[in-house]
Amino acid sequence: KAGVTQTPRYLIKTRGQQVTLSCSPISGHRSVSWYQQTPGQGLQFLFEYFSETQRNKGNFPGRFSGRQFSNSRSEMNVSTLELGDSALYLCASSYTGVQGELFFGEGSRLTVL
Amino acid sequence: GENVEQHPSTLSVQEGDSAVIKCTYSDSASNYFPWYKQELGKRPQLIIDIRSNVGEKKDQRIAVTLNKTAKHFSLHITETQPEDSAVYFCAASSGNFNKFYFGSGTKLNVKP
Repeated sequence: KAGVTQTPRYLIKTRGQQVTLSCSPISGHRSVSWYQQTPGQGLQFLFEYFSETQRNKGNFPGRFSGRQFSNSRSEMNVSTLELGDSALYLCASSYTGVQGELFFGEGSRLTVL
Repeated sequence: GENVEQHPSTLSVQEGDSAVIKCTYSDSASNYFPWYKQELGKRPQLIIDIRSNVGEKKDQRIAVTLNKTAKHFSLHITETQPEDSAVYFCAASSGNFNKFYFGSGTKLNVKP
């Protein structure tokens, strides 16, 4: 089985721009979560989707949004980028709908200049 | 919301020694505690987990202990090897679907 695939792997944006990141989960996994990873902060939960429904949202501003499609692929969008948004954004999929093992992608590294 | 604190942030041990990483959580409703290992440049992977109905779980050289009263849980690695060098993250969940609160990570360095 193919693992979780995230695109793009690296991107550089300037302040004020917006960005869209994509995640393709493992086949059969309907739960997709997004985390922001920064040095010293660990993994901060952004949101979780299951069967196209957002079930949970973390404590991030409204500039961070996401969606899930009928094939379970997910996208997250960050609008009006700020320098502090520079981070590794990890997507994780899970077969189990509750407290499931998270299978992470390699991440999308966003640099905001 | 839940708050998970993890210590130490860095840990250096000699090959063959034991390593212990500790986490505390604040939400008494948390009942599932996984540990993820992230090797340099790679994605985090689950290495062991424990649910609140047990106090200890072992898998070869790694073990996790849970003290619900004190709200803390620990990862123990015995007979450490250089390939154990990585960043380890603890996490907690209260059953709110797949929402997890992660600790800030511990960078373990095993010196040969």
